[in-house]
Amino acid sequence: AQSVAQPEDQVNVAEGNPLTVKCTYSVSGNPYLFWYVQYPNRGLQFLLKYITGDNLVKGSYGFEAEFNKSQTSFHLKKPSALVSDSALYFCAVRPRISGNTPLVFGKGTRLSVIA
Amino acid sequence: GAVVSQHPSRVICKSGTSVKIECRSLDFQATTMFWYRQFPKQSLMLMATSNEGSKATYEQGVEKDKFLINHASLTLSTLTVTSAHPEDSSFYICSARGAGGASNEQFFGPGTRLTVL
Repeated sequence: AQSVAQPEDQVNVAEGNPLTVKCTYSVSGNPYLFWYVQYPNRGLQFLLKYITGDNLVKGSYGFEAEFNKSQTSFHLKKPSALVSDSALYFCAVRPRISGNTPLVFGKGTRLSVIA
Repeated sequence: GAVVSQHPSRVICKSGTSVKIECRSLDFQATTMFWYRQFPKQSLMLMATSNEGSKATYEQGVEKDKFLINHASLTLSTLTVTSAHPEDSSFYICSARGAGGASNEQFFGPGTRLTVL
C-alpha cells in the first residue's frame, strides 16, 4: 500500500533560522513527489514537485526540497524562515502510472516560525 | 498557477437538508476532479475521483448515495451532501487536474466549511 509519513506533527523554528519539514514515502517505483501548504481555512497551495532530474527542487516562496531515492525521502527546506511561513505543510505522492490516480497525502506538519 | 474556485465558502444548514457545493476550474479544463474531506488538525481524506461525463469513483467507506458527485463539464463539478447530519460537518476541498498525465500537479479550491446543526 502507498503511504506518506510526516514524522513531526509540529516544527518550531526561530525567524531567520533554516527550517526542515520531513517526509518519507512508501510507494512502488519512483513516484511523483509534491509539497503543498495550507493556511487556516484555505485550500492547499502548490509549493513544488519532483518529476525527474536534479534531486534538489526549487519551488515557491524560497522553499526547496531534496529527493533522496535511497532513503525514500523528500524533505522540505528553506534557508531562512519567515513568520509568514507559519502554516500546515503536506507532503504528497502519486505513482508513475497512467490513469486518474489521486495524490496520497501525509498527515501534515504544522510549522510555527517565531519572531 | 491555475485557479480553482469553490462556492459557497461556508454553509450552515439544518439536519436533514441537502447542500450542494460547486467546484470550478477557472482557467483550464479539468479532466479529473477530486473531492476531499478534512477534519480538524487532520490530513485530507479522498472521497471520490470524477472524470468529466463519467460516474465518480468513490473511495471505500464513502457512501455514494449520500455524497452525490456530478462532473458535467470540463470546468464544473458539484458535490451534494444529501440529508445532511451533524457528523457530516467538515471542511470539503475540491481539486482539479488537467490533461497531461500523473506528473501534473493538482490545483485545490479554497474549501467549503459545512456545519450541520
